[in-house]
Amino acid sequence: DGGITQSPKYLFRKEGQNVTLSCEQNLNHDAMYWYRQDPGQGLRLIYYSQIVNDFQKGDIAEGYSVSREKKESFPLTVTSAQKNPTAFYLCASSIARTGVRETQYFGPGTRLLVL
Amino acid sequence: DAKTTQPPSMDCAEGRAANLPCNHSTISGNEYVYWYRQIHSQGPQYIIHGLKNNETNEMASLIITEDRKSSTLILPHATLRDTAVYYCIVKGGAQKLVFGQGTRLTINP
Repeated sequence: DGGITQSPKYLFRKEGQNVTLSCEQNLNHDAMYWYRQDPGQGLRLIYYSQIVNDFQKGDIAEGYSVSREKKESFPLTVTSAQKNPTAFYLCASSIARTGVRETQYFGPGTRLLVL
Repeated sequence: DAKTTQPPSMDCAEGRAANLPCNHSTISGNEYVYWYRQIHSQGPQYIIHGLKNNETNEMASLIITEDRKSSTLILPHATLRDTAVYYCIVKGGAQKLVFGQGTRLTINP
């Protein structure tokens, strides 16, 4: 089955701890994205990557870090510097082609809770 | 990217057509209209998108007015599983999708 997988579905973080959320896609998409969603709110862009070994900050990158060593994978680390990490985290991917308004497809999400 | 306005909630009877409106009066010529939906605690699901012509796929139809300032998403035969929050998004060259509050659609038996 082609698609985007995120793991784990639920993640608990202790104060001062870094945690990493996994995102994998087998759609052969070039671009990948991380969004955060708070209860009753829309999605906000954290980071995005258009190509391997390159990524850009989104609107709320502070306290987060990413890497893009492989085309299929775009892990997100929530660091201890992120003071309010409890949220629903969504990964998306799209074909990135110049001049084409690419459609983003989303994974099932990871819900992060701080203990 | 242009801002969109949607009603906060709508109800529809099961088996009937659900028509979800969206206003995007400041849309520019190279911006597309996208529709996504999000069922509780799941990732957003892509439904359909269009530029100026009406579009139809296996999930829905998208009707865009001639002046492109508004559009309507049509679910032709709504089922209980179509209960979700529906987001209308206008996207141009920017990388991010800007999700507003959306319309909470409830399909009633």
